[in-house]
Amino acid sequence: EVQLVESGGGLVQPGGSLRLSCAASGFTFTKYEMNWVRQSPDKGLEWVSFIGGSRGKSRGVINYADSVRGRFTISTDDAHNSLYLQMNGLRAEDTAVYFCVRSMRDVVVVPGSTYFYYYMDVWGKGTTVTVSS
Amino acid sequence: DIQMTQSPSTLSASVGDRVTITCRASQSISAWLAWYQQKPGKAPDLLIYKASTLQSGVPSRFSGSGSGTEFTLTISSLQPDDFATYYCQQYQSFPLTFGGGTTVEIK
Repeated sequence: EVQLVESGGGLVQPGGSLRLSCAASGFTFTKYEMNWVRQSPDKGLEWVSFIGGSRGKSRGVINYADSVRGRFTISTDDAHNSLYLQMNGLRAEDTAVYFCVRSMRDVVVVPGSTYFYYYMDVWGKGTTVTVSS
Repeated sequence: DIQMTQSPSTLSASVGDRVTITCRASQSISAWLAWYQQKPGKAPDLLIYKASTLQSGVPSRFSGSGSGTEFTLTISSLQPDDFATYYCQQYQSFPLTFGGGTTVEIK
């Protein structure tokens, strides 16, 4: 069974740091791209970051939402089938449930180029981050 | 960034009703659109990708259509398990963006 289990959430003061972890199982982790998505009552669902699998078509590709770029860092540990999100300089507006999400790809091939489009097919249950003094 | 706008934000319906939810993109996204269902306290579940492709295991009463900037999610005959919030999401380009959601509630 494909499973994603997040951990590491909690209460942190503004300006503080947290490291979220996501343990993946039931699939070949290195072949898939992964994301962090967060959800809050104020902003709804918000994509946070994407990382290409080390053996996937987008290996080496990392993207961030503008709201977190420069403060958050996404990474993977293939030996432990794990995804991470290092969050520094936390703000009240980062308060949310954070989901670890696997991506599947659609592929378009045209003469001379190949394009990949990634939708999100498997979600973890989420971990809650609260930034407050 | 591509903005996604869903309507209505809330929909009241009865079991057996045909329900349609609309999602509009601020620019063309071809067919790179997904639909998710979310129940309270749970993570979203993928229903449809590439605008009209049903995810494995999703009941056939769900269908999606559209391309470019206008898309619809239809539930042909609403079942008790379908009362939930539905989100559209574009994956044409980063940043990936979601619609604001449509809550389907019991009439």
